[in-house]
Amino acid sequence: QVQVVESGGGVVQPGRSLRLSCVASGFTFNSHGMHWVRQAPGKGLEWVSVISRDGSIKYYADPVKGRFTISRDNSKNTLYLQMNSLRAEDTAMYYCAKPRSPGIAAAAVSWGQGTLVTVSS
Amino acid sequence: DIQMTQSPSSLSASVGDRVTITCQASQDISNYLNWYQQKPGKAPKLLIYDASNLETGVPSRFGGSGSGTDFSLTISSLQPEDIATYYCQQYDTLSMFTFGPGTKVDLK
Repeated sequence: QVQVVESGGGVVQPGRSLRLSCVASGFTFNSHGMHWVRQAPGKGLEWVSVISRDGSIKYYADPVKGRFTISRDNSKNTLYLQMNSLRAEDTAMYYCAKPRSPGIAAAAVSWGQGTLVTVSS
Repeated sequence: DIQMTQSPSSLSASVGDRVTITCQASQDISNYLNWYQQKPGKAPKLLIYDASNLETGVPSRFGGSGSGTDFSLTISSLQPEDIATYYCQQYDTLSMFTFGPGTKVDLK
């Protein structure tokens, strides 16, 4: 069955960097765009970024533009989120999600369990 | 950027009640509107895509409608396992994806 598993979260100081990973299985990874979505503690969902199936198209939410970079390695079935210049407001659970169809505009149907990022001194 | 609003922000209902949650977009988004359910400590679950299409495996008591700027999610007969927070999400080519603020549903 479809599975996506995030890792790489942890406690990091403001201004530092962190890289999240998401390993996918159970579907043809290189046929689907992929999303990152985050949720601050006790708050709602916030879309972060999306990447096309071949990695050529990338979009970012305004709060992370210029600081976060989404990428993928289709040979490893792995999605990444490089997070630089981290701020306290980046503290959140970060979810990786697979759209229900190949395009990047499709609804996110398969979600991981999330990986928690805490930005604190 | 397109803004999404949801109402109510929370509601209490009894088992068997019909529950309706509304979502409004600040601009016309055609039918690019999805609904998710999230239970505490869990990842979101897709319920409805493209405004009115029921995702595979989702109970038929869930339904979505609307187009343009006004949308709704209806639970025809609330069940105890439906206690959750519900989010709408839109797609557009400029701001990409935007979630609504959520509607928390609990039992009366």
